[in-house]
Amino acid sequence: SQTIHQWPATLVQPVGSPLSLECTVEGTSNPNLYWYRQAAGRGLQLLFYSVGIGQISSEVPQNLSASRPQDRQFILSSKKLLLSDSGFYLCAWSAGTGDEKLFFGSGTQLSVL
Amino acid sequence: SQKIEQNSEALNIQEGKTATLTCNYTNYSPAYLQWYRQDPGRGPVFLLLIRENEKEKRKERLKVTFDTTLKQSLFHITASQPADSATYLCALEEAAGNKLTFGGGTRVLVKP
Repeated sequence: SQTIHQWPATLVQPVGSPLSLECTVEGTSNPNLYWYRQAAGRGLQLLFYSVGIGQISSEVPQNLSASRPQDRQFILSSKKLLLSDSGFYLCAWSAGTGDEKLFFGSGTQLSVL
Repeated sequence: SQKIEQNSEALNIQEGKTATLTCNYTNYSPAYLQWYRQDPGRGPVFLLLIRENEKEKRKERLKVTFDTTLKQSLFHITASQPADSATYLCALEEAAGNKLTFGGGTRVLVKP
């Protein structure tokens, strides 16, 4: 069966520090991968999605970036965090077959202080 | 501009009653509409998917309708239970896209 791992669960970082969140998927090949952010009490905002290794589409201009160095690995990064980067970050995957149910990781609660 | 609107006010409902949530959208031509459940501090969990050519879908105590003329989906939880308390999110995928866009969610609180 397929599983998705996302870490860390919580993170407290100072303003201006770098960020690296990692997500890996097991049990499937060539998934579509996604990074979403959810502000407190708000809906999910799509940040990046990828349909293959090295293929990244950005939805929202910001100081975040994403990379997909391997088929089932998706990384969210920042060189310098802003206060506004605080939020709940969720990685997700879908099969990429046109029936795009998303399967989410457990999320990372990021607090930038 | 494109919008997906869900009632931001929490829905308080008595156990055993039917909860009905709405999802309205504008300036979308969705191929699919999906509903997810999210518990506090957790990632959303997929519940149901309904296609543009389907009117209704059921799964156990859940029922979803999809009216592309009204640009609306209704999500029903029948015989609601306290364990159904959560936030419910609707999401759309447009025919040409590889991505889902989510509404803001509606929190449901089922009281015993």
